[in-house]
Amino acid sequence: DQQVKQNSPSLSVQEGRISILNCDYTNSMFDYFLWYKKYPAEGPTFLISISSIKDKNEDGRFTVFLNKSAKHLSLHIVPSQPGDSAVYFCAASGIGGGATNKLIFGTGTLLAVQP
Amino acid sequence: DTGVSQNPRHKITKRGQNVTFRCDPISEHNRLYWYRQTLGQGPEFLTYFQNEAQLEKSRLLSDRFSAERPKGSFSTLEIQRTEQGDSAMYLCASSDPSGTLDEKLFFGSGTQLSVL
Repeated sequence: DQQVKQNSPSLSVQEGRISILNCDYTNSMFDYFLWYKKYPAEGPTFLISISSIKDKNEDGRFTVFLNKSAKHLSLHIVPSQPGDSAVYFCAASGIGGGATNKLIFGTGTLLAVQP
Repeated sequence: DTGVSQNPRHKITKRGQNVTFRCDPISEHNRLYWYRQTLGQGPEFLTYFQNEAQLEKSRLLSDRFSAERPKGSFSTLEIQRTEQGDSAMYLCASSDPSGTLDEKLFFGSGTQLSVL
């Protein structure tokens, strides 16, 4: 049962353009969402997060949007840079009410930013 | 280096052998997690510790797997009688939730296990 889904295995964008990575979840008890970035042969590194009480969080070139009614979140990267090329994982967690406090990860989206 | 440290980085073993991995978390972090990642998948939760107490284990963690965190510091993950299906990247992460709701995990670089 895949509770966090990233339906696009890969995405290619031109340098300077916007990258939009999508994530869907099924468990309505999730209330905290994170994006991690992973380079080959390294562990995932935290990028940005959002709590369910917000619908947008911005950090520099990275913005995460949350649509609770649609159980959907997205990561926007503007402008995209070649160094952003990596696998991006969406993750979710929840507290109380039977939800889990451990992170549940999606399958990842490989972003390739072309110079 | 104050990040999460994992050793070894790579381990090649023959089927049936036992292997042990070590994780040193960020020193002030009281939670420690083990995840496993296979090709094309996201990290999958295996188990976690709050200080020295192992609070949850995934059903992915068969009887051949055991994890410890003596004294609430470093942790070891042992796999007995390895099988080819155990080949994966084993990731350790730590966090310090300190009562906050927004718990972020900090990951190590992982141990890549290959079972021949």
